Amino acid sequence: GAVVSQHPSWVICKSGTSVKIECRSLDFQATTMFWYRQFPKQSLMLMATSNEGSKATYEQGVEKDKFLINHASLTLSTLTVTSAHPEDSSFYICSARVVQGGELETQYFGPGTRLLVL
Amino acid sequence: GDSVTQMEGPVTLSEEAFLTINCTYTATGYPSLFWYVQYPGEGLQLLLKATKADDKGSNKGFEATYRKETTSFHLEKGSVQVSDSAVYFCALSRYTGGFKTIFGAGTRLFVKA
Repeated sequence: GAVVSQHPSWVICKSGTSVKIECRSLDFQATTMFWYRQFPKQSLMLMATSNEGSKATYEQGVEKDKFLINHASLTLSTLTVTSAHPEDSSFYICSARVVQGGELETQYFGPGTRLLVL
Repeated sequence: GDSVTQMEGPVTLSEEAFLTINCTYTATGYPSLFWYVQYPGEGLQLLLKATKADDKGSNKGFEATYRKETTSFHLEKGSVQVSDSAVYFCALSRYTGGFKTIFGAGTRLFVKA
């Protein structure tokens, strides 16, 4: 199946710094990528939908100036957590959408990035 | 709006027991339905999917049938193994001017040797 990678897998940073997380589709082109946040023992919360070459669409309640998303190419999307604070500590997961033979799309997920803000 | 409801966990089973994790959904139109599995510290992996009514998705001994009449997509496995211990998410996807996936809350499965 399609492979999605994320980097880094773990990051620890000081409060007030910015952190960039990369999401890559390794063997396919993804016109759309999604960023999710997952709190411990909870489901995934969609943060934003990222379309290549255009601005991301953010879900209600997600600060676009706080979570900057750039989808510069068909294989790379980045999420930058700006001026991170301890409450931003979470597990961030990206996924990429694959259209297969005209049937409804399947999403493939990256392995996740665990962010700890001290 | 669209929603997915899963049975609450955790579910604890002995090895070789039969597994059922219930999932029901609410959606207009004809969504695709998915089961994802998440192992500790990892992202989600697609386990199986079904794109239309009466389709059966299957993978690694797991099965689920898309039942439109009962709006359900229950996950089953005849004989679980310790390695099946994970969190299982039921999800639906639909395109309505934009593509979105709605996830259930997840069901944690523990399998004892």
